[in-house]
Amino acid sequence: GAVVSQHPSWVICKSGTSVKIECRSLDFQATTMFWYRQFPKQSLMLMATSNEGSKATYEQGVEKDKFLINHASLTLSTLTVTSAHPEDSSFYICSARPGRKETQYFGPGTRLLVL
Amino acid sequence: SQQGEEDPQALSIQEGENATMNCSYKTSINNLQWYRQNSGRGLVHLILIRSNEREKHSGRLRVTLDTSKKSSSLLITASRAADTASYFCATALLNTGGFKTIFGAGTRLFVKA
Repeated sequence: GAVVSQHPSWVICKSGTSVKIECRSLDFQATTMFWYRQFPKQSLMLMATSNEGSKATYEQGVEKDKFLINHASLTLSTLTVTSAHPEDSSFYICSARPGRKETQYFGPGTRLLVL
Repeated sequence: SQQGEEDPQALSIQEGENATMNCSYKTSINNLQWYRQNSGRGLVHLILIRSNEREKHSGRLRVTLDTSKKSSSLLITASRAADTASYFCATALLNTGGFKTIFGAGTRLFVKA
């Protein structure tokens, strides 16, 4: 089956630093990748959709300058949380979609704790 | 953004009982999916039902879809303690560039041994 990995699986950083999270599709090419954020005991909220080679499309209320998304290749997308603050502490999950198919494959998530 | 509501928000049952979770959504959909998430873990895809389907089964899972009411239900029969998890419905919405998946609020299921 299609596998999506995320790195790191967890990260602790100081307030004001930037954190980069990688999302990789291991055995398929992902023309589209999605980034979700999940706060404790809440649902997944779609943050942005990224298409390989083009700018990401952000959902309403998500700051694009705060959450930088790069989808430089068909197997890699990165999310950079710039100048992280404690309120950015969350579980970040990516998913990848091959072509225009409806199926998305989810990564295991990255837990971010900002002190 | 979230597509809709799920009820109940939390459900506690005894092992062996059936668990029913409901999901409502707001817009037209191409398909609806159910996922499970154990505490602090990633998502496990359970089942996908298309908009032209009314019912689907997978093992102890039964999913129904009523597009006229914009609602779906997930039934877990003969529940086990290992079924304890959060369950989310998700809908695939078509936008420019393809589909994007939006999740419901989720139901937290606790199965007591």
